[in-house]
Amino acid sequence: QVQLVQSGADVKKPGASVKVSCKASGYTFNSYNINWVRQAPGQGLEWMGWISTSSGDTLYAQNLQGRVSMTTDTSTNTIYMELRSLRSDDTAVYYCARWWHAGGYSDYWGQGTLVTVSS
Amino acid sequence: DIQMTQSPSSVSASVGDRVTITCRASQGINNYLVWYQQKPGKAPKLLIYGASNLQSGVPSRFSGSGSATDFTLTISSLQPEDFATYYCQQANSFPLTFGGGTRVEVK
Repeated sequence: QVQLVQSGADVKKPGASVKVSCKASGYTFNSYNINWVRQAPGQGLEWMGWISTSSGDTLYAQNLQGRVSMTTDTSTNTIYMELRSLRSDDTAVYYCARWWHAGGYSDYWGQGTLVTVSS
Repeated sequence: DIQMTQSPSSVSASVGDRVTITCRASQGINNYLVWYQQKPGKAPKLLIYGASNLQSGVPSRFSGSGSATDFTLTISSLQPEDFATYYCQQANSFPLTFGGGTRVEVK
């Protein structure tokens, strides 16, 4: 069955970086791209960016440009999201989600990774 | 960027009620409208895509309608497991954008 399994919760200090992983299984890895979405405590969903698992092309939300990077490791079917220069308002649950472009939807989501930024 | 406006932000309802949630896009989105359900501590779950297509496994009491800029999610007879927060999302163009969410609460 399709699964996206994310790395565990993390606590970082302001200014540090965090790298969240998302391991895909149960489907052909490079047939679906991946979106990253985050959700601050008690808030709504915010799209962070998209990565093509076949080409490695990326598209990032403008408000995160320069601080975020998304990469893939096709040898392990794992997608990574790195966020740098962390601030307190980056505290959120981070989700990876499989993206079916033709249909325009994310049908499978990871379980989420809580990143807490605190001094 | 396309702005998505959801209403209401919350609704109180009872089991068996019909619940309607609306979502308006700031410009036409060619029916690339998705609805997700999210329960506390869980990832969003896909309900409806393409404005009106029910995702496999989703109960038929959920339905979506609308076109161009105005869309609706309807729960025909609310069940206990439907108390949750619902989000719309436009998938017409990047950046993908979400509505602010509608919390369906117990009346």
